[in-house]
Amino acid sequence: AQSVTQLGSHVSVSEGALVLLRCNYSSSVPPYLFWYVQYPNQGLQLLLKYTTGATLVKGINGFEAEFKKSETSFHLTKPSAHMSDAAEYFCAVSPYGGADGLTFGKGTHLIIQP
Amino acid sequence: EAGVVQSPRYKIIEKKQPVAFWCNPISGHNTLYWYLQNLGQGPELLIRYENEEAVDDSQLPKDRFSAERLKGVDSTLKIQPAELGDSAVYLCASGPNTGELFFGEGSRLTVL
Repeated sequence: AQSVTQLGSHVSVSEGALVLLRCNYSSSVPPYLFWYVQYPNQGLQLLLKYTTGATLVKGINGFEAEFKKSETSFHLTKPSAHMSDAAEYFCAVSPYGGADGLTFGKGTHLIIQP
Repeated sequence: EAGVVQSPRYKIIEKKQPVAFWCNPISGHNTLYWYLQNLGQGPELLIRYENEEAVDDSQLPKDRFSAERLKGVDSTLKIQPAELGDSAVYLCASGPNTGELFFGEGSRLTVL
């Protein structure tokens, strides 16, 4: 069974500041890990994914995440926040990357202060 | 390439009425998923199809919810009768069996 814990239901940062959204996972098998973004009244859009290989993965809009097996973490970062980054962010896990579907965390609402 | 298409985007009904949502997945994606997203929560899987077969419907409340995927392409999710607690966003997704899912924009249901 898989589970995802996202620390902080709301995160507020100033424009230009570092963005750090935390995600910890639990999986009985090697996980594939994903970050999705959801803007108001829209579906989920993939930001980035970790499958195998390099543990630092880069995604769209300047985001990146690092898979740390020892810490069971997959935190999302962006060096400099932009107003357009304000949205809901979801971390998700898939066992082996198969077709079973994704297990999502509860989400983190990112607020950008001008 | 067209993405996952869902309709209607918004639906307002009174409790005890029926409602249906439609989804057309990305061409070539054999796996189709229906997720439920309550306000302020992450999506939760309702049902997963492999072609025409519902391979995981363990989280689908079968007393009032039903789904079908005739011909293994588009799918319909139905609620009958709807309850106040069913107010949520119903998301459809499809995937190429690599773990990654592609989502539609969702159908927002309000039950009065």
